[in-house]
Amino acid sequence: GENVEQHPSTLSVQEGDSAVIKCTYSDSASNYFPWYKQELGKRPQLIIDIRSNVGEKKDQRIAVTLNKTAKHFSLHITETQPEDSAVYFCAASLGTGGFKTIFGAGTRLFVKA
Amino acid sequence: EAQVTQNPRYLITVTGKKLTVTCSQNMNHEYMSWYRQDPGLGLRQIYYSMNVEVTDKGDVPEGYKVSRKEKRNFPLILESPSPNQTSLYFCASSTTTEDTQYFGPGTRLTVL
Repeated sequence: GENVEQHPSTLSVQEGDSAVIKCTYSDSASNYFPWYKQELGKRPQLIIDIRSNVGEKKDQRIAVTLNKTAKHFSLHITETQPEDSAVYFCAASLGTGGFKTIFGAGTRLFVKA
Repeated sequence: EAQVTQNPRYLITVTGKKLTVTCSQNMNHEYMSWYRQDPGLGLRQIYYSMNVEVTDKGDVPEGYKVSRKEKRNFPLILESPSPNQTSLYFCASSTTTEDTQYFGPGTRLTVL
């Protein structure tokens, strides 16, 4: 079946460094790629997303890049802070509203002060 | 306040005892989904609904049923729960004009 692979599963960085999480999807029909942050015991929260007709999107310290040909997309967090510590999930969807959404397995990010 | 609610938040039950987890949203969203979250597997979509009386299977629908009789409610039904359905369940909703999914607080289910 269709899947989304996410790497690394765990990432530890020093405060102020950058963090990069990479995902690869298999369904070439996917056209919407959200990233979620989940803190311990909380629900997933959308932090940034990108559609297939856009190659890059940035929101303050967070950016996402998409290579549709290679079916890769990545999350970049710059100037990391301890409050960035959480589990991050990428996802690939066939359309609006969560239609046929497949999530990656998650990346646990530790930001050391 | 715009929100997605789930009940119960925690449930311990025994194998074979039918249960329902409710999900309700007050944002008039057309789309609603159910996911289960297991360690190392991320979130996996169980069922999806595009509107009232329109539902579709996700990746892991076996052992689950859903119904969408009203726009605001999307209950998840486990007719005969088994221990492998022990998991954290999330309901989510979204609208046709926005891609963002809004997640409920989650329901932690344990089947003994």
